[in-house]
Amino acid sequence: GENVEQHPSTLSVQEGDSAVIKCTYSDSASNYFPWYKQELGKRPQLIIDIRSNVGEKKDQRIAVTLNKTAKHFSLHITETQPEDSAVYFCAVKAAGNKLTFGGGTRVLVKP
Amino acid sequence: DTGVSQNPRHKITKRGQNVTFRCDPISEHNRLYWYRQTLGQGPEFLTYFQNEAQLEKSRLLSDRFSAERPKGSFSTLEIQRTEQGDSAMYLCASSRYGSSTNEKLFFGSGTQLSVL
Repeated sequence: GENVEQHPSTLSVQEGDSAVIKCTYSDSASNYFPWYKQELGKRPQLIIDIRSNVGEKKDQRIAVTLNKTAKHFSLHITETQPEDSAVYFCAVKAAGNKLTFGGGTRVLVKP
Repeated sequence: DTGVSQNPRHKITKRGQNVTFRCDPISEHNRLYWYRQTLGQGPEFLTYFQNEAQLEKSRLLSDRFSAERPKGSFSTLEIQRTEQGDSAMYLCASSRYGSSTNEKLFFGSGTQLSVL
């Protein structure tokens, strides 16, 4: 089955700096790559997604880039703010209809 | 609130007891997913439905677990003879297959199960 690895597991940044989280996947047939943000005790919330026919997508301070050849994609958060502190999960959808999630990255934005 | 709704929010049970959780998806969503999440880990797929049909179950899913979606609306997840290893957050998600946004999964707040 699909294998998704996410790095780093924790990330501490100064407010205003950028944060980058990277995920790699194993199934070359994967075609959909969402990112979820989960605050403590709350539900995972979709923040941005990208399909395999697109290399980059941006939404205000967040962006996702996809390298299909290398089978990795990344989340970029610019101008980080304290409310960006949360756990971020990448996910991958391959030929089946389920999402396989990475292990998560705990992001701490220090004021 | 038109989001995914799960009940109960918390469940404490003794080992060996049966438990049942309920999920009400977003009303126009025809796909419903169950995931399990343990502390510090990403959600792990359990099973999913399209309308009332259960289309896939994880190979890791014990036969003590059963899920239903009898009328294609709400779903229940039952765990029989609970074990301490079943302690986790059980998340439900839904999506609208056949629409332009069919891959987008929307999650509920989950049911936190503690098996003593």
